[in-house]
Amino acid sequence: SQQGEEDPQALSIQEGENATMNCSYKTSINNLQWYRQNSGRGLVHLILIRSNEREKHSGRLRVTLDTSKKSSSLLITASRAADTASYFCATDDRNRLAFGKGNQVVVIP
Amino acid sequence: EAGVVQSPRYKIIEKKQPVAFWCNPISGHNTLYWYRQNLGQGPELLIRYENEEAVDDSQLPKDRFSAERLKGVDSTLKIQPAELGDSAVYLCASTDGDSGANVLTFGAGSRLTVL
Repeated sequence: SQQGEEDPQALSIQEGENATMNCSYKTSINNLQWYRQNSGRGLVHLILIRSNEREKHSGRLRVTLDTSKKSSSLLITASRAADTASYFCATDDRNRLAFGKGNQVVVIP
Repeated sequence: EAGVVQSPRYKIIEKKQPVAFWCNPISGHNTLYWYRQNLGQGPELLIRYENEEAVDDSQLPKDRFSAERLKGVDSTLKIQPAELGDSAVYLCASTDGDSGANVLTFGAGSRLTVL
């Protein structure tokens, strides 16, 4: 069964806008990760946030984690056409990485 | 560094036929995963190896699926016989686990179509 559930499922934005995706989960976690998948490709790790962290930045990415609400958000600032992809959150519980259904993001040039 | 290598990239077979997928993880990565990804869904774990030992195979449909990781390096995933519902992308991933965080490096996947 899928652990994380991303919201919204599909997002279409103009280049230069920000994109925000949310993820909820149900069990305890060691950390939460976000991955990107371009069409027809494998997943690529973007960023990891540990259970004792609340916010983390990496380039144009900002991730937050609220363990009390069992939720996380991923913000991509100043989006580019190359950001068009599916984005998955994944929860790590005792080395079992469980993925959500994913968010499809389309950035229109 | 070559990354995680999977083959074949694409496979089309008729139902009831056998099929096998091969994965070569990143050198030095002792943990290897097989995931299945259905269209429009996230990856679902099939099996996890620590070296040559399968430490998490609770979600592997053992009636038709089998996997092995001889010598703790390359791994193969086999389906016999294949069913229509097995059409999916089979992803292999590996990690060294040394950082204490389970960050996975994925291969490009093997897309299976069962007719």
